[in-house]
Amino acid sequence: EVQLVETGGGLIQPGGSLRLSCAASGFTVSSNYMSWVRQAPGKGLEWVSVIYSGGSTYYADSVKGRFTISRDNSKNTLYLQMNSLRAEDTAVYYCAKAATVMGAFDIWGQGTMVTVSS
Amino acid sequence: SYELTQPLSVSVALGQTARITCGGNNIGSKNVHWYQQKPGQAPVLVIYRDSNRPSGIPERFSGSNSGNTATLTISRAQAGDEADYYCQVWDSSSYVFGTGTKVTVL
Repeated sequence: EVQLVETGGGLIQPGGSLRLSCAASGFTVSSNYMSWVRQAPGKGLEWVSVIYSGGSTYYADSVKGRFTISRDNSKNTLYLQMNSLRAEDTAVYYCAKAATVMGAFDIWGQGTMVTVSS
Repeated sequence: SYELTQPLSVSVALGQTARITCGGNNIGSKNVHWYQQKPGQAPVLVIYRDSNRPSGIPERFSGSNSGNTATLTISRAQAGDEADYYCQVWDSSSYVFGTGTKVTVL
């Protein structure tokens, strides 16, 4: 079965760090375009970061310099390292798969909640 | 940065047709994808590349894209179509989502 499962969310103080994981099954992470998308409570979807099949990475301006996307091909897993967290980073974080660079996100994980609060 | 604008809400009578617009500068030159999101759930792809339906998505969902507006059409609306809908494009190494539209079936 093709699926994505995110883990690693939780409550973290402002300025802290957290690493999210997204385990894939049924397809190969490194052959696809893998993104993180977040949704703040009651708000819309916001794209966060992507790692291309070739390894290039891109970030939304709101997280550039603070978040790092990566993957472990041996574990078929996607990661998001989040540093210097702010209250405005509070959101459900989804990982999502696209087959091509301009392709649609055809597979989504169930999401993991990150709450940044003191 | 590229922006996509959607109406905040659309209401449709049961069995009638709902149209959700997504406005963007020359959006007709881009591939537009549409997602349905129900409360507490992850988004689900309902239309890709302007007008294509993934397997399992009813024929009642259709899409078009021209000029500065892309449109998602839901025909014969059902109670189960109540959800938030988002358009999305790729632009300059980033992905952009529309502002989202809440569809209410009356």
